[in-house]
Amino acid sequence: QKEVEQNSGPLSVPEGAIASLNCTYSDRGSQSFFWYRQYSGKSPELIMFIYSNGDKEDGRFTAQLNKASQYVSLLIRDSQPSDSATYLCAVNERINTGTASKLTFGTGTRLQVTL
Amino acid sequence: KAGVTQTPRYLIKTRGQQVTLSCSPISGHRSVSWYQQTPGQGLQFLFEYFSETQRNKGNFPGRFSGRQFSNSRSEMNVSTLELGDSALYLCASSSTTHTVYNSPLHFGNGTRLTVT
Repeated sequence: QKEVEQNSGPLSVPEGAIASLNCTYSDRGSQSFFWYRQYSGKSPELIMFIYSNGDKEDGRFTAQLNKASQYVSLLIRDSQPSDSATYLCAVNERINTGTASKLTFGTGTRLQVTL
Repeated sequence: KAGVTQTPRYLIKTRGQQVTLSCSPISGHRSVSWYQQTPGQGLQFLFEYFSETQRNKGNFPGRFSGRQFSNSRSEMNVSTLELGDSALYLCASSSTTHTVYNSPLHFGNGTRLTVT
């Protein structure tokens, strides 16, 4: 059973601090990694995706990928109360090469940014 | 560009009934995936359609079925509803064609199904 694991939290950080969200995955063949944000009662919205080892920055968000350690993380700099949400890590599994598209989601980490 | 549209937004059904949910993907997207979200299980993959063909299926009973039309719109059907089918059902579209690796999913607002 291929898995994507996240700490459920809540992760509490003060406003202006860096929030660090982590995710591990079990399928070594995974090639694409995504972070989604989900506000309570809403659907997931894409924040970032990363395909190569290293860091990828987009505004206040940085995704980090280490395929050798099967680890992907999301850093949120200058955290704001509006960042309070559940963050979902998703890994695109290699099912049948070139014929399928499936994302396996972690159960999410709830982030609370306090004033 | 319009996003993914799901209808209806809310449904209340009784056990034993069946239900059909509808999804219109982002224009130009040919891949449509369906997920079930519950507080305990998180997002669980149901199935994915591409060009009217089911390419992949999750571990759900045969009561859950779907189809895709030539305009990429998709429907999901659940027959003989059970209390445990109460969930948020999310449809997502992607621009993926042949490659598995580089296309994120874009989600609709979901259909909240309550089975009583």
